[in-house]
Amino acid sequence: DQQVKQNSPSLSVQEGRISILNCDYTNSMFDYFLWYKKYPAEGPTFLISISSIKDKNEDGRFTVFLNKSAKHLSLHIVPSQPGDSAVYFCAASMKGGSEKLVFGKGTKLTVNP
Amino acid sequence: NAGVMQNPRHLVRRRGQEARLRCSPMKGHSHVYWYRQLPEEGLKFMVYLQKENIIDESGMPKERFSAEFPKEGPSILRIQQVVRGDSAAYFCASSPLVSNHERGYYQETQYFGPGTRLLVL
Repeated sequence: DQQVKQNSPSLSVQEGRISILNCDYTNSMFDYFLWYKKYPAEGPTFLISISSIKDKNEDGRFTVFLNKSAKHLSLHIVPSQPGDSAVYFCAASMKGGSEKLVFGKGTKLTVNP
Repeated sequence: NAGVMQNPRHLVRRRGQEARLRCSPMKGHSHVYWYRQLPEEGLKFMVYLQKENIIDESGMPKERFSAEFPKEGPSILRIQQVVRGDSAAYFCASSPLVSNHERGYYQETQYFGPGTRLLVL
């Protein structure tokens, strides 16, 4: 039962263009969402988060959009850089829970020079 | 600012042996989480601990796996009598206790260590 889904295993974009990574969730109890970036043989690095009371959060080149009615969120990276090439994980947690994160399977982003 | 530390980074065990994975949280963090990542999969929650307390172990296999976070020292994830299916990357995360008025309760961002890659032969 995959509660957090990242349906695109991979994405390839040109340097300088926008990267859009998508994530869908099924559990309406989720109220906090995070994006992590992971390089091979390293741990996930926190990028950006959003609470369910917001629909957008921006931090530099990274913006996360949340559409609660569609149970969908997306991460926009503008402009994309070769150093952004990594696996991106979407994660969610729920209010009143133990704050454990439920992760998607990840999307491998490749930014071509 | 030392991040979350895990050791060993790589661990090789034969079937039936014990594996001990250690995690030292970031300074000032009182919450520790363990996750497991199988190949081509996302991270799966295993257990959430505070000092001397297991808060949520709903993701832990019922047998052979245990975790602790003592008053002094690192958190330990222990796997007894390892089998080949235990081969995976094990990640530890830590978080502070942060009041978040927007959410109306405590919310914590988790910061991950580099992981321990366990290989069972």
